[in-house]
Amino acid sequence: QTVVTQEPSFSVSPGATVTLTCGLTSGSVSTGSYPTWFQQTPGQAPRTVIYNTNLRSSGVPDRFSGSILGNKAALTITGAQADDESDYYCVLYLGGGISVFGGGTKLTVL
Amino acid sequence: EVQLLESGGTLVRPGESLRVSCAASGFTFSSYGLNWVRQAPGKGLEWVSGISVSGGGTYYADSVKGRFTVSRDNSKNTLYLYMNSLTVADTALYYCVKGLRQTSGIFGNDPWGRGTLVTVSS
Repeated sequence: QTVVTQEPSFSVSPGATVTLTCGLTSGSVSTGSYPTWFQQTPGQAPRTVIYNTNLRSSGVPDRFSGSILGNKAALTITGAQADDESDYYCVLYLGGGISVFGGGTKLTVL
Repeated sequence: EVQLLESGGTLVRPGESLRVSCAASGFTFSSYGLNWVRQAPGKGLEWVSGISVSGGGTYYADSVKGRFTVSRDNSKNTLYLYMNSLTVADTALYYCVKGLRQTSGIFGNDPWGRGTLVTVSS
């Protein structure tokens, strides 16, 4: 069974850069995995931040970027702000109409 | 603007069945794959099921395979999820999510609905 891995938690100082990753327990992440990143704050529905590896959703600040780093998908926040403190989930397409979410990363900005 | 409105969630007992629905608007419904994603209280997101544009392709997570059935009515712009043999572990907020392509499982940048809460408890 394929599992999608994310860092459970991450802490970053305001203004610093942070990179969250999204990997597979078996195999490598590629653009064909259509990595998508969601941001979720308590009580709210998830909001797409990055889709199709590196496309920024409308209204998302350009300090957010997506990429493939090695064998993982990556979400980089350049110049983190207090507003970025949220849970971040990635989802990967495994093929055959099936996707799997990672367990999420709780990002703290302090 | 894409709008998704889930409904049908309620309190049910273990072993019972339930159908939840998702009414869509703001896009050409019949041109996109669709997904159900759930979130148990205090937990992460879980992809549950997906369906292709025609409904000919249906896909499930192992956790629900054999118990859940997804379908769509393109004439009514509505997505359904039939849930049988419900257990406490199925308690969650169920979201329908528009896909980026004709198949399911590939997500885009469209907004999510508010979800519908399914509670399974004796």
